[in-house]
Amino acid sequence: AQSVTQPDIHITVSEGASLELRCNYSYGATPYLFWYVQSPGQGLQLLLKYFSGDTLVQGIKGFEAEFKRSQSSFNLRKPSVHWSDAAEYFCAVGYPGFQKLVFGTGTRLLVSP
Amino acid sequence: DTGVSQDPRHKITKRGQNVTFRCDPISEHNRLYWYRQTLGQGPEFLTYFQNEAQLEKSRLLSDRFSAERPKGSFSTLEIQRTEQGDSAMYLCASSLRTPPATNTEAFFGQGTRLTVV
Repeated sequence: AQSVTQPDIHITVSEGASLELRCNYSYGATPYLFWYVQSPGQGLQLLLKYFSGDTLVQGIKGFEAEFKRSQSSFNLRKPSVHWSDAAEYFCAVGYPGFQKLVFGTGTRLLVSP
Repeated sequence: DTGVSQDPRHKITKRGQNVTFRCDPISEHNRLYWYRQTLGQGPEFLTYFQNEAQLEKSRLLSDRFSAERPKGSFSTLEIQRTEQGDSAMYLCASSLRTPPATNTEAFFGQGTRLTVV
């Protein structure tokens, strides 16, 4: 069965430091991959997506992610974290035809001063 | 267009009561999805519509749950005889699929938080 693993439940990063959130997926074909961000009590906002082509994708708010097929990974990065980035981040994999998304359990990002 | 809209944002109900949630998708989107998110978990797929047709239902969607999208625009999700285990955030999303393209992205609403007491 298709699945998404986000191994880090919580991550604390100092403001201005770099960030990497890990995501591994299990899927038998070429996946569609997404990162969403969720602030407390809010819905999900799409940060970036990978469908095909260049394996390094740029998103909003200065985020980027790299698709590595050999490692079945799609890690999210940001070179310099801002206090407003504190939120929960979800990695998701999509099915061809896009009937639904399978989400990971999320990583809560805390930003320290 | 202000995006996907869900109503109400919060609902508290007593166990055994029926509740109904509404979702208004982005106007030109032909696909509409419902997800459920419990505390500390990622969203889990419940069901989706292509226009007015309900094309897939998750096993999470018990017979107490029913979803409709009568005119291919807004959708409702009804839970009958609510149980405490139904307490969750219910998220709606929409997307535009134009074949032969198979890739697209879903836009999520702010969710309806249900608390069953």
